[in-house]
Amino acid sequence: GESVGLHLPTLSVQEGDNSIINCAYSNSASDYFIWYKQESGKGPQFIIDIRSNMDKRQGQRVTVLLNKTVKHLSLQIAATQPGDSAVYFCAVIFYNQGGKLIFGQGTELSVKP
Amino acid sequence: KAGVTQTPRYLIKTRGQQVTLSCSPISGHRSVSWYQQTPGQGLQFLFEYFSETQRNKGNFPGRFSGRQFSNSRSEMNVSTLELGDSALYLCASSRGQTETQYFGPGTRLLVL
Repeated sequence: GESVGLHLPTLSVQEGDNSIINCAYSNSASDYFIWYKQESGKGPQFIIDIRSNMDKRQGQRVTVLLNKTVKHLSLQIAATQPGDSAVYFCAVIFYNQGGKLIFGQGTELSVKP
Repeated sequence: KAGVTQTPRYLIKTRGQQVTLSCSPISGHRSVSWYQQTPGQGLQFLFEYFSETQRNKGNFPGRFSGRQFSNSRSEMNVSTLELGDSALYLCASSRGQTETQYFGPGTRLLVL
């Protein structure tokens, strides 16, 4: 069946460095991709999304890149700050499954001061 | 605009009991989805409601059910609780099925 996977369960970076979190998906019928951030004790918080007709989208300090050829999605965080420490999930909508959101397992980002 | 709210935030139940969780979506959002989050299985889709109709369902047993009211508020029910039902239950709302989903803080359920 369709799946979403992340390459690394944990990532540790130095404050001020750039962070890159990767995600792979299995279904070419995917049309909508979302990154969420989840802090301890809270629900997932929307960060940025991208649709399949784009390959790059930028927000405040975050950039999402979509490579449909290799079914790969990445989240780049510029000048990582301690407040960025959290678990990051990529989520994909598979339209051949009625549009439900499928989540990856998450990458825990730790920012060292 | 107020975010998604969920009640209660914490709940302790014993095996065999049943539980009802409540979710109030963002104003104007008509789609409500429910997810179960556990350390071992991650975030798993339970079901989605739109205009009081269940449009999508995940791979959970029939003990898990839900409904949506005319004001878009939603409830989910778990009957005959098992220890493995201990989890964070998250509700998310969106304007439509393929729109961005915004999550509430979750209800943490502990089954003893």
